[in-house]
This record gives sequence, C-alpha cells and structure tokens, in this order.
Amino acid sequence: SYELTQPPSVSVSPGQTARITCSGDALPKQYAYWYQQKPGQAPVLVIYKDSERPSGIPERFSGSSSGTTVTLTISGVQAEDEADYYCQSADSSGTPNWVFGGGTKLTVL
Amino acid sequence: QVQLQESGPGLVKPSETLSLTCAVSGYSISSGYYWGWIRQPPGKGLEWIGSIYHSGSTYYNPSLKSRVTISVDTSKNQFSLKLSSVTAADTAVYYCARHQVEYSNYLPSGWFDPWGQGTLVTVSS
Repeated sequence: SYELTQPPSVSVSPGQTARITCSGDALPKQYAYWYQQKPGQAPVLVIYKDSERPSGIPERFSGSSSGTTVTLTISGVQAEDEADYYCQSADSSGTPNWVFGGGTKLTVL
Repeated sequence: QVQLQESGPGLVKPSETLSLTCAVSGYSISSGYYWGWIRQPPGKGLEWIGSIYHSGSTYYNPSLKSRVTISVDTSKNQFSLKLSSVTAADTAVYYCARHQVEYSNYLPSGWFDPWGQGTLVTVSS
C-alpha cells in the first residue's frame, strides 16, 4: 500500500524557520496537502495543492514540492505553531486511496 | 460557514457494528462535494476510511473496504458510517469532513476541509 514518510519530530526556537518534509513515490504526480492538529482538536488545512494557502492561514506557512518530497515551511515560528503536522496525498496506482503521513510533532523550544 | 458534527455510541462491543452519523450545517450536501470519514487511534496518525457523493457514489479505503458502508441522507443533510466486525484496533477518534475530490492527470486527488470535532469510539466488552 502507498505510504507517505515524515520525520517524527522537528524542534525550533521562536522566530526561526521550521521545515517539515514528506516523501512519497507518487508525489511527482499528485498534489500534497498539509494539516495542523493541536492537542484535543480536529486537524486544520494549512496548505493545499502543494503550495496554496487557504484564507485565514498566516503567511508564515508555505509549501513547496521537489520530486518525491514536499516541504511545509513555517517562517518566524511562534509558540502557537507547536502542534502535530500531517501531510496527505493520494495513490497514483489508479485505485482511489487518500493517504496521510505519520505526522510530525513540531516543538517550539 | 460549513460545520460538521459527528454523533453515535461511544462504546461498541467486539464483533459488533460501529455506527456514526455526521450532520452538516451551513451547506447542502446535495449541492456537491464528497463527504468523508477519517479516524485517528489514540496517540497515532490519521487514516482515511471512505467518502461519499450526494448521488451515493462512494470511495473506500482498500484496507477497510470489506467492512465499511457509507450512506447519505440528503433529506436530513447528513451522512453515515457503518464499520462491521470491530475489534480493539478500531478504537479511535472518528472525524467527518468535507472532501474536495479533484482529478489531476486523470488520477483522483483532493483534500479534506473543514472537519468535525471528532468523536471517540471505544471497542470493548
């Protein structure tokens, strides 16, 4: 089955830049999406179609894609950005199957 | 704005069927979009379960397909999940979400937004 791979954890100091990667064989053919999930809350979409930002999401959140890896970048990290982040995409085998990465815990030191 | 709210039993016995409903407000299901279910075991990651269109067309996760049925009731503006033969491994927070399905390079793609608040379902005797 198709898998997306994320690092379990990333740590940054306030004001620094955090980069969270997500790797998957189908990513050159499929868009990636990113969600932020804070403890006890539902996930919130922060990036869609690799690099588009939904309305209401701060400009410090951005996304990029290169080959089989996509990256979520948070510039000028704030304490409130501490959360779990999940990438999501879809299989390219032709069988409809939407998949999430294992999640990355962002810690703001 | 669109809001989703899950409801259903919080405790299900092993081998029985888990049943949940998602009520949608602020948007008519009949107007479009797919509508999906996602789950998250305690302390673990997210897993897509399946999605349905207002016409009744469905997509299911291949790994769960044999146990999952998703249905829609446009008159009540809600959709439902049934998961049969549950075990402790099905214990999770279950979320419903609007599923924007698109086709990119002739392949199904898309994202989930917004989400309901989630409901914890525990499988235990």
